[in-house]
Amino acid sequence: DAKTTQPPSMDCAEGRAANLPCNHSTISGNEYVYWYRQIHSQGPQYIIHGLKNNETNEMASLIITEDRKSSTLILPHATLRDTAVYYCIVKGAVDGNKLVFGAGTILRVKS
Amino acid sequence: DSGVTQTPKHLITATGQRVTLRCSPRSGDLSVYWYQQSLDQGLQFLIQYYNGEERAKGNILERFSAQQFPDLHSELNLSSLELGDSALYFCASSVAPSSYEQYFGPGTRLTVT
Repeated sequence: DAKTTQPPSMDCAEGRAANLPCNHSTISGNEYVYWYRQIHSQGPQYIIHGLKNNETNEMASLIITEDRKSSTLILPHATLRDTAVYYCIVKGAVDGNKLVFGAGTILRVKS
Repeated sequence: DSGVTQTPKHLITATGQRVTLRCSPRSGDLSVYWYQQSLDQGLQFLIQYYNGEERAKGNILERFSAQQFPDLHSELNLSSLELGDSALYFCASSVAPSSYEQYFGPGTRLTVT
């Protein structure tokens, strides 16, 4: 599995966009980028995933650089309820079934 | 609400005891995963079942076992409990056996005293 690097913490003002970076310089061609988040002591929540094209859903947008060595999760209008630990995970499509969670980024949304 | 249910929500027990944690997957999901989250180890994958069969195994101790029943609910059995087994135990489910789009339950908080 490709290793990911995320900043340990970030702050964001309520109503502004939150941009969470992830570096995955050793990603290989068949590996996807997944994002999950965990709000304090709740079960992790799937957010979005992508291979090489940018993706958007009702929760967030995922921007993957052309060389695929990094990505950014964008929460367009952060609210206090978006305060959570955000995990960037890189996995191959047939790479085993377990999700490997690193330390993630603690995002604090402030009013 | 992910649609995955776990019981009980909290469990307090003594060292040496045995407990059973229960998980019901989302309707239509055939695969169930168990994860453990402790303060010092973070979120760790324990085991996966797909349609009643064990599919993948992670860092699961020999004192722990799991199974998935014909109605697709799953149970995680923890025996000879130690203080270090105190953790949050999450169950997740997915439609396909090799899906990373997994839906997590609210967890069971186990405290071993």
